[in-house]
Amino acid sequence: AQSVTQLGSHVSVSEGALVLLRCNYSSSVPPYLFWYVQYPNQGLQLLLKYTSAATLVKGINGFEAEFKKSETSFHLTKPSAHMSDAAEYFCAVSDPSGTSYGKLTFGQGTILTVHP
Amino acid sequence: SAVISQKPSRDICQRGTSLTIQCQVDSQVTMMFWYRQQPGQSLTLIATANQGSEATYESGFVIDKFPISRPNLTFSTLTVSNLSPEDSSIYLCSGRQGARKETQYFGPGTRLLVL
Repeated sequence: AQSVTQLGSHVSVSEGALVLLRCNYSSSVPPYLFWYVQYPNQGLQLLLKYTSAATLVKGINGFEAEFKKSETSFHLTKPSAHMSDAAEYFCAVSDPSGTSYGKLTFGQGTILTVHP
Repeated sequence: SAVISQKPSRDICQRGTSLTIQCQVDSQVTMMFWYRQQPGQSLTLIATANQGSEATYESGFVIDKFPISRPNLTFSTLTVSNLSPEDSSIYLCSGRQGARKETQYFGPGTRLLVL
């Protein structure tokens, strides 16, 4: 069975500061990992994904994430926060094989607030 | 990528009634899924919509409450039956394409409030 833990349900940063959103996963097989963003009253938009290629993954809007197998982590970072980054962020894991093929398991989400 | 639309975008329903949500994808997708996002919570997978056959439901979700249809590769419906206030949630559909199988694209969601 797979699971995802996002540390911190709320993260607050100042505009221009580093953004770090934490995600740890549990999977019995090498996973696929995703970060999605949800703006208020909207659906989910894919930020980036890890699918067993490069461990440092670059996504849209200046975000990136690093897959660290030894730490079972996939933390999301952005060097400089912008006001438009305020949203809820979800980490998700997918089992690329077996009976769970294609299904996403989501973390609880982290609400990012950006202060002027 | 795939663009996914849902109808209705939101609705207010009386308890005991049913709501059918439509999901349309602009290109063929191999897999379609339905998720529920309860207020303040994360997404939970309801079922996998299978083309031309019965949907595959996750633990805790049953066909009588959440009947799903998928007549072709670009369209699916989810019905939430016998509504109660506990069904007030956002319902999202997603699609996963064959050529880029690892990525799921999501619709904007349907916001349901049951009174």
